[in-house]
Amino acid sequence: AQSVTQLGSHVSVSEGALVLLRCNYSSSVPPYLFWYVQYPNQGLQLLLKYTSAATLVKGINGFEAEFKKSETSFHLTKPSAHMSDAAEYFCAVSDREGFKTIFGAGTRLFVKA
Amino acid sequence: EPEVTQTPSHQVTQMGQEVILRCVPISNHLYFYWYRQILGQKVEFLVSFYNNEISEKSEIFDDQFSVERPDGSNFTLKIRSTKLEDSAMYFCASSVISGANVLTFGAGSRLTVL
Repeated sequence: AQSVTQLGSHVSVSEGALVLLRCNYSSSVPPYLFWYVQYPNQGLQLLLKYTSAATLVKGINGFEAEFKKSETSFHLTKPSAHMSDAAEYFCAVSDREGFKTIFGAGTRLFVKA
Repeated sequence: EPEVTQTPSHQVTQMGQEVILRCVPISNHLYFYWYRQILGQKVEFLVSFYNNEISEKSEIFDDQFSVERPDGSNFTLKIRSTKLEDSAMYFCASSVISGANVLTFGAGSRLTVL
């Protein structure tokens, strides 16, 4: 069975600081991995995805994530946080068939001025 | 930009009542999903639907739940006899393909069971 674990339900950074949101996955087959963002009162929106091409994946709004098979990790980073980045971030995993995408518990990012 | 539309945005119902949540997926998408998010908790998979049948469902999706695509555009989730614990935000999503599928989510329907 596939699963994702997001370390830290809340992360707080200062504006301009590095953002690092951690995600570890468990999968018996090569997975597809995703990061989604949820702003208040909205649905989830795709930030980026990994589908076994380049291990460093660039997404929207300056976010990127690196797939590390040896560490079973897919951490999300952004060099410089902006106030508008404050939201909830979900890591997700899907198998090759893709009939079920499993989401992590989410990490709420707070950005301080 | 195409979007997934969900109605109602908020529904309040009495325990034991039937509820139907409606979704209009993106027109060229072939795969449809329902997820739910209980307040403050994770986004949980309920069911996926392809080619007019359920592809996969979770243990949450018991006999009280059903899905239907009645007219080729709408995708509905029915809860036959609601319980207090069904109170949650229900998200519909659709995708073009499976596998490396990018899910496009609707804004959600908030269900409150009293």
